[in-house]
Amino acid sequence: DGGITQSPKYLFRKEGQNVTLSCEQNLNHDAMYWYRQDPGQGLRLIYYSQIVNDFQKGDIAEGYSVSREKKESFPLTVTSAQKNPTAFYLCASSIAAGTSGRVEQFFGPGTRLTVL
Amino acid sequence: AQKITQTQPGMFVQEKEAVTLDCTYDTSDQSYGLFWYKQPSSGEMIFLIYQGSYDEQNATEGRYSLNFQKARKSANLVISASQLGDSAMYFCAMRELQAAGNKLTFGGGTRVLVKP
Repeated sequence: DGGITQSPKYLFRKEGQNVTLSCEQNLNHDAMYWYRQDPGQGLRLIYYSQIVNDFQKGDIAEGYSVSREKKESFPLTVTSAQKNPTAFYLCASSIAAGTSGRVEQFFGPGTRLTVL
Repeated sequence: AQKITQTQPGMFVQEKEAVTLDCTYDTSDQSYGLFWYKQPSSGEMIFLIYQGSYDEQNATEGRYSLNFQKARKSANLVISASQLGDSAMYFCAMRELQAAGNKLTFGGGTRVLVKP
């Protein structure tokens, strides 16, 4: 079945440690995205990538880094510079965004990160 | 300034009744798209319905319909014949087509609880 996988579902880390969240898709989508969701709030864009080996900062990129070496994979690293990393992280993918407005993003199941 | 505003943090609805979830947006672009997503307690985001700024008719998808009032910049979601499985968070999101990439801006969400 085609879809997006994120692992692990729950992640616990000590303060000051870097941690990498996995996101893999087999939908053959060109574009991938990372969002952060805090309790009771909407999603905020961290980084996005429209094509392999290229990515752009979203609205809250500080303290995060990404890579896009393969079309299927878009890992997110939460660095020690991120002041409040405890949150729910969602990865998404879509076909390349052209002039068509209806470019639906498909989401993974999310990773809940807790920093102790 | 908030680009997407959902003023109802939570709502109760009786099973089999209809419910309207409010969404207002702010953009200076003429070309944009509006999306509604459902987020059950499990966390994944499920696409429900899309409305383009140039679409002349209100979008409908099964029990979901969108009351699009362009002059008022509102795109309210109507869920008809509510079911217990409709209990979830609902998010309105916007894509501005002039902006690079398929970036979505999300509102803060509305929690819906369907009562039997």
